[in-house]
Amino acid sequence: AQSVAQPEDQVNVAEGNPLTVKCTYSVSGNPYLFWYVQYPNRGLQFLLKYITGDNLVKGSYGFEAEFNKSQTSFHLKKPSALVSDSALYFCAVRAGGATNKLIFGTGTLLAVQP
Amino acid sequence: GAVVSQHPSRVICKSGTSVKIECRSLDFQATTMFWYRQFPKQSLMLMATSNEGSKATYEQGVEKDKFLINHASLTLSTLTVTSAHPEDSSFYICSARPGGSGTEAFFGQGTRLTVV
Repeated sequence: AQSVAQPEDQVNVAEGNPLTVKCTYSVSGNPYLFWYVQYPNRGLQFLLKYITGDNLVKGSYGFEAEFNKSQTSFHLKKPSALVSDSALYFCAVRAGGATNKLIFGTGTLLAVQP
Repeated sequence: GAVVSQHPSRVICKSGTSVKIECRSLDFQATTMFWYRQFPKQSLMLMATSNEGSKATYEQGVEKDKFLINHASLTLSTLTVTSAHPEDSSFYICSARPGGSGTEAFFGQGTRLTVV
């Protein structure tokens, strides 16, 4: 069965410092991996995805993520955090092939202090 | 990116009444749409997969007679919460994908339902 784990409920970082939001996954076959961000009382906004190819994926708002097959991880990173990055971040996985369901992690609240 | 519009963004209804939530794909056709429910400070729980022209596929534990889904066209899916109770109060979100399995899903703005 597919699953996604986000081990940290909350990540605190000072503005200007690098940030990492962790995600590990479990899926049969090749994974399709996604990161989404959610602001209060809003839907989810797509940040980036890994389907195939280069393990380092660059996305919106300066975010990037690295696919690590051996560690089954897809951590989200940003070199320099902004206060406006404070939000709820979700990692999601979908198995390739006919399966359409997107399975979400529990979410990580990112708090960037000025 | 593609746009998914959800309406209303906020609704308050009385116990026992029904509420309809609309989800539209504005610039692409979606044969499949997804309905999620999100409790405060929790992740998204997939409720059902809406299939254009056929019956929705419900996840285990989701009452199909309580949460009616209709996907009458390639750009519109509706979720009707029937005989609403206070425990149905939640944040409901729809999503759709414009392409194949490798494409990302786009989400509506969400609907905050409060049943009083």
